[in-house]
Amino acid sequence: GAGVSQSPSNKVTEKGKDVELRCDPISGHTALYWYRQSLGQGLEFLIYFQGNSAPDKSGLPSDRFSAERTGGSVSTLTIQRTQQEDSAVYLCASSPGRPNNEQFFGPGTRLTVL
Amino acid sequence: LAKTTQPISMDSYEGQEVNITCSHNNIATNDYITWYQQFPSQGPRFIIQGYKTKVTNEVASLFIPADRKSSTLSLPRVSLSDTAVYYCLVGGNYGGSQGNLIFGKGTKLSVKP
Repeated sequence: GAGVSQSPSNKVTEKGKDVELRCDPISGHTALYWYRQSLGQGLEFLIYFQGNSAPDKSGLPSDRFSAERTGGSVSTLTIQRTQQEDSAVYLCASSPGRPNNEQFFGPGTRLTVL
Repeated sequence: LAKTTQPISMDSYEGQEVNITCSHNNIATNDYITWYQQFPSQGPRFIIQGYKTKVTNEVASLFIPADRKSSTLSLPRVSLSDTAVYYCLVGGNYGGSQGNLIFGKGTKLSVKP
């Protein structure tokens, strides 16, 4: 079956613009995660959705970052007023949920803020 | 969430066994231990998961001592294609109510000819 997909694969934007990144998880997966990975660095947790529960937003670096998950499926990560330090690869992962928490990752969106 | 500590980098040669140890001193009773592998320009990929003692699959083995405060990922007879970053994660609350696993900085394994 299809894996996790993300779009766009690459996004170049100007400082101050808003961007939206999309994640289509594996069908039936109840958990969805967003991570950020800067060049040569580890993964930085951003936000986690589990079913209909309130999302865990503890990793969002500022109030410019927000995410939604509509209908328990597709998720959108929005970055407002982008800054150059927002440049990174944004990875989405989904998981079947309890008790199997294995995360399946998408290919990522490479964001470049000029 | 339990914090993990693992070496930043390791070097090995083809054909050798590689053991990467991760410390997780404040692991909770219900936490899983999970390892992921990441190649450049790709998302991480699940390798192995365990709760206690030893787990083995076609790719690796995971050794977990009785106190569960550390774990060791063992890669038998590595090849050049095993060059990657390996992440140790603790969490997931096996059988519990939360499922989030947090990645640390990982161990960069370099396999040389």
